[in-house]
Amino acid sequence: EAGVAQSPRYKIIEKRQSVAFWCNPISGHATLYWYQQILGQGPKLLIQFQNNGVVDDSQLPKDRFSAERLKGVDSTLKIQPAKLEDSAVYLCASSHGLLGYEQYFGPGTRLTVT
Amino acid sequence: QKEVEQNSGPLSVPEGAIASLNCTYSDRGSQSFFWYRQYSGKSPELIMFIYSNGDKEDGRFTAQLNKASQYVSLLIRDSQPSDSATYLCAVPGVGNSGGGADGLTFGKGTHLIIQP
Repeated sequence: EAGVAQSPRYKIIEKRQSVAFWCNPISGHATLYWYQQILGQGPKLLIQFQNNGVVDDSQLPKDRFSAERLKGVDSTLKIQPAKLEDSAVYLCASSHGLLGYEQYFGPGTRLTVT
Repeated sequence: QKEVEQNSGPLSVPEGAIASLNCTYSDRGSQSFFWYRQYSGKSPELIMFIYSNGDKEDGRFTAQLNKASQYVSLLIRDSQPSDSATYLCAVPGVGNSGGGADGLTFGKGTHLIIQP
């Protein structure tokens, strides 16, 4: 079974630029999560999708971050405009839901904002 | 907001000994608990989850849950150098509610070093 796929793996941008990250969850997993992990900290939930609907985006900075999950499979997370404090690893995770709530993480995208 | 507290370490344990990692959580209503291992530069990997009070064993790993005291621990027996990593404790939900399918609230993690 293929794991969670993410791209790109690394991205360097200047502040005020925009950036987008892509995630493809494990096949059959209805729930998809985006987390932000700043160096030295645990992952922080940004947004959770159930199929193509948003379940929780309470910790998403909506003035600059947006996310979508069209057709209930792939998802894209966008930052516009980026700030220095957005430098972090962005992790995508998925879970099946009905067969278990365990979350499986992708390799992450390391973002550096200069 | 839920909180999960862990001692950031580093926790240094000699090879072959038992490593004991602890975690406390703020929401008394939390029902499930997850332990993830994260190697440097890698993504978190699920190693244990526990729902019921008491112990759950899986190979060299044992998770212990005490809901009355609001702590969960992870024991690693016969520690190996390959166990050196950061161990993250997590509970579902970010607010004062939530079920198993919710996004996780993580602690900062404990950095474990197994000394050969």
